[in-house]
Amino acid sequence: DGGITQSPKYLFRKEGQNVTLSCEQNLNHDAMYWYRQDPGQGLRLIYYSQIVNDFQKGDIAEGYSVSREKKESFPLTVTSAQKNPTAFYLCASSIGGRGGYGYTFGSGTRLTVV
Amino acid sequence: QKEVEQDPGPLSVPEGAIVSLNCTYSNSAFQYFMWYRQYSRKGPELLMYTYSSGNKEDGRFTAQVDKSSKYISLFIRDSQPSDSATYLCSADTGTASKLTFGTGTRLQVTL
Repeated sequence: DGGITQSPKYLFRKEGQNVTLSCEQNLNHDAMYWYRQDPGQGLRLIYYSQIVNDFQKGDIAEGYSVSREKKESFPLTVTSAQKNPTAFYLCASSIGGRGGYGYTFGSGTRLTVV
Repeated sequence: QKEVEQDPGPLSVPEGAIVSLNCTYSNSAFQYFMWYRQYSRKGPELLMYTYSSGNKEDGRFTAQVDKSSKYISLFIRDSQPSDSATYLCSADTGTASKLTFGTGTRLQVTL
């Protein structure tokens, strides 16, 4: 079955630590996205990528970094510069960046600072 | 002002009721409209997809777009407890590189 796999499902981060969230898709989609979801705030775009080796900042990119070395993979690193990282993180993909295509979402990673 | 506005709810209805979920938008260039359903602690899933104005029906769900008033609606007939979830509306111009989402409306269908 095609889909998006996010791992881990739960992640705990200590203060000052960088952590990386994994996102893999086997849908052959060109575009991939990272969102952060907080209660009452909806989805906020962190980074997105429309092709391999290229990505753009979203609305809340500070304290995050990404890479897109393979079409299937779009990992997100939450750095120590992100002061409030506790949230639910969602990865999504679409056939193309333009054209009104819907997104396929992963099941999310819940990150908690301890 | 957000480009897509959505009442966060929560909206509580009894089983069997007709549910109306609504969004408004400000960008007249939006052409594609989608509804996503998100269960607690899960990722959103695409529920309905509509291009331009008009209605689209799929089982108990009907999506409606009125571009003249910039209004997006999702109707759920014969609502079930399994419909309890957060519903997100979204819109796309077709030339932008990302969707614009509403904040989501939490729906609770009670027995």
